[in-house]
Amino acid sequence: EAQVTQNPRYLITVTGKKLTVTCSQNMNHEYMSWYRQDPGLGLRQIYYSMNVEVTDKGDVPEGYKVSRKEKRNFPLILESPSPNQTSLYFCASSHGTENTEAFFGQGTRLTVV
Amino acid sequence: ILNVEQSPQSLHVQEGDSTNFTCSFPSSNFYALHWYRWETAKSPEALFVMTLNGDEKKKGRISATLNTKEGYSYLYIKGSQPEDSATYLCASRSGTYKYIFGTGTRLKVLA
Repeated sequence: EAQVTQNPRYLITVTGKKLTVTCSQNMNHEYMSWYRQDPGLGLRQIYYSMNVEVTDKGDVPEGYKVSRKEKRNFPLILESPSPNQTSLYFCASSHGTENTEAFFGQGTRLTVV
Repeated sequence: ILNVEQSPQSLHVQEGDSTNFTCSFPSSNFYALHWYRWETAKSPEALFVMTLNGDEKKKGRISATLNTKEGYSYLYIKGSQPEDSATYLCASRSGTYKYIFGTGTRLKVLA
């Protein structure tokens, strides 16, 4: 089954404690992306990757890091989480061309206290 | 327009009514416009990807049109059913690999 898998689904952590949210896709997609969803705001792009070892900042990259060492995986790293990073996070993947649909993961609800 | 704007923010319709909503996006350097359907507690699901001015796409009772010159897209739902209740998102890609999402239109279909 074609899917994008995020882990964990829910996480409560404390300020400053490094964490990683994993994202994996089994569709051989080139393009992967991370978004955050906050009340009253649309999905905002954090980082994206066009292929292995190629990443770039989205609109809200501050406080986040990513890596793309393998095509299937695109982890989101919060080196020192802060309460303003409490949010619902989505990973998505698609083929590299602009006219293909994106597949979203199930979402990760992160709370930083 | 610098952002992607969707209207209305929310609407309630009766079962069987037809409805439509709007997505406005930057028309300069346009690449693609995506529509998604997002049910509560689930992840967004792709409906349409549109790239050409004048494009019309259809999936069952749902259809969409695209005007890239003036920067808008309409999503139509014919004969709304309770299972159509969801938030409908649009996202624009222009010039780079970045995507800008609207805040969505929340549709509630009353039985």
